[in-house]
Amino acid sequence: AQTVTQSQPEMSVQEAETVTLSCTYDTSESDYYLFWYKQPPSRQMILVIRQEAYKQQNATENRFSVNFQKAAKSFSLKISDSQLGDAAMYFCASQTGNQFYFGTGTSLTVIP
Amino acid sequence: DTGVSQNPRHKITKRGQNVTFRCDPISEHNRLYWYRQTLGQGPEFLTYFQNEAQLEKSRLLSDRFSAERPKGSFSTLEIQRTEQGDSAMYLCASSRDLITGELFFGEGSRLTVL
Repeated sequence: AQTVTQSQPEMSVQEAETVTLSCTYDTSESDYYLFWYKQPPSRQMILVIRQEAYKQQNATENRFSVNFQKAAKSFSLKISDSQLGDAAMYFCASQTGNQFYFGTGTSLTVIP
Repeated sequence: DTGVSQNPRHKITKRGQNVTFRCDPISEHNRLYWYRQTLGQGPEFLTYFQNEAQLEKSRLLSDRFSAERPKGSFSTLEIQRTEQGDSAMYLCASSRDLITGELFFGEGSRLTVL
């Protein structure tokens, strides 16, 4: 089984500033995908960004980007120009075959 | 398309009772997952369906748990003889294309066992 580790239970960021959420994973597979999901309070989890392991280029979605370090098995999420609506739990996840593995999450607070 | 729908959203039951949760996935999605999420934890895999076939089950899914997906559409998760340790959020997610990998989640069914 794979493991996904998020070492920051809580993070805070000033509105309009940049914050980076950390994630490491452990897999012996060569073909896998990595994800960041956002879970706002009392709402469903939604995909923020996805990275294919075979791609060297870091994925970017508007204000969200990742720093994918395959050798180090690191997959951090950078949120630029943070907005109040970014406040949520963020889960890092890996996928191999039919299985998805989630970290324990990072609670992000955005300070006005 | 209204997304993944789960019912009931909240269920409070007494220890020893049976409960059943329903998940209606996005209509064209043939893959359906059940996860359990407890406070401070990420989702933990319970089981996975491809169409009507239950292909994988976690060891977390004891014999008190059963899941079905008749006709490959909606799915039910039943917990028999509930225990206090079953209290959690039960999440359903569906996916159409494993290659893209995106899971679409429902809002979850929160179970409280007294």
